[in-house]
Amino acid sequence: GAGVSQSPSNKVTEKGKDVELRCDPISGHTALYWYRQSLGQGLEFLIYFQGNSAPDKSGLPSDRFSAERTGGSVSTLTIQRTQQEDSAVYLCASSSIKGRGDLYNEQFFGPGTRLTVL
Amino acid sequence: AQSVAQPEDQVNVAEGNPLTVKCTYSVSGNPYLFWYVQYPNRGLQFLLKYITGDNLVKGSYGFEAEFNKSQTSFHLKKPSALVSDSALYFCAVRVLDRGSTLGRLYFGRGTQLTVWP
Repeated sequence: GAGVSQSPSNKVTEKGKDVELRCDPISGHTALYWYRQSLGQGLEFLIYFQGNSAPDKSGLPSDRFSAERTGGSVSTLTIQRTQQEDSAVYLCASSSIKGRGDLYNEQFFGPGTRLTVL
Repeated sequence: AQSVAQPEDQVNVAEGNPLTVKCTYSVSGNPYLFWYVQYPNRGLQFLLKYITGDNLVKGSYGFEAEFNKSQTSFHLKKPSALVSDSALYFCAVRVLDRGSTLGRLYFGRGTQLTVWP
């Protein structure tokens, strides 16, 4: 079946512009995550959606970052007034819910969007 | 605070030799531990996980990992390395936050494994 898809695969933008990154999770997965992977760094958690629960936004680095998930499926990560330090690969992942939340289940990652801010 | 440490940025091993990629964790509750692999220009792929039960878990591509509660470690191992195992490996831990069903996943910084012929 189809995996997690992300678009665009690459995005080059100028400092100060807004960008939107899209994630299509695996069908039926109710948990969706956004991470950021910078060169030489590990994965930085950004935000986590699970079903109809309030999202965990504790990883968003500033108020320029926001994300929404419409209809419990597709998610959009928006970065306003982009800065050069926002340059990174943005990864989306999804997982299914079994039993007690999705604690036990592995996440399935998309290929990422490489964002370059000039 | 919850955290994961991968003390080695790089691990180099000859093909056919055993390999170990180290991971230690620090959490305030029961840990759920995961290993992921990232091949060049590709997304992360799940390798294996420890939830409960047998401390030795087996995963994809011949990898296994041992959960050691006293040492708070979850080292990734393979008896005989292949050149194709060369990739970036991430250890991750999830803990149920008190009062919440949402469990954050914390990743280590990654270990670059290089297997030479």
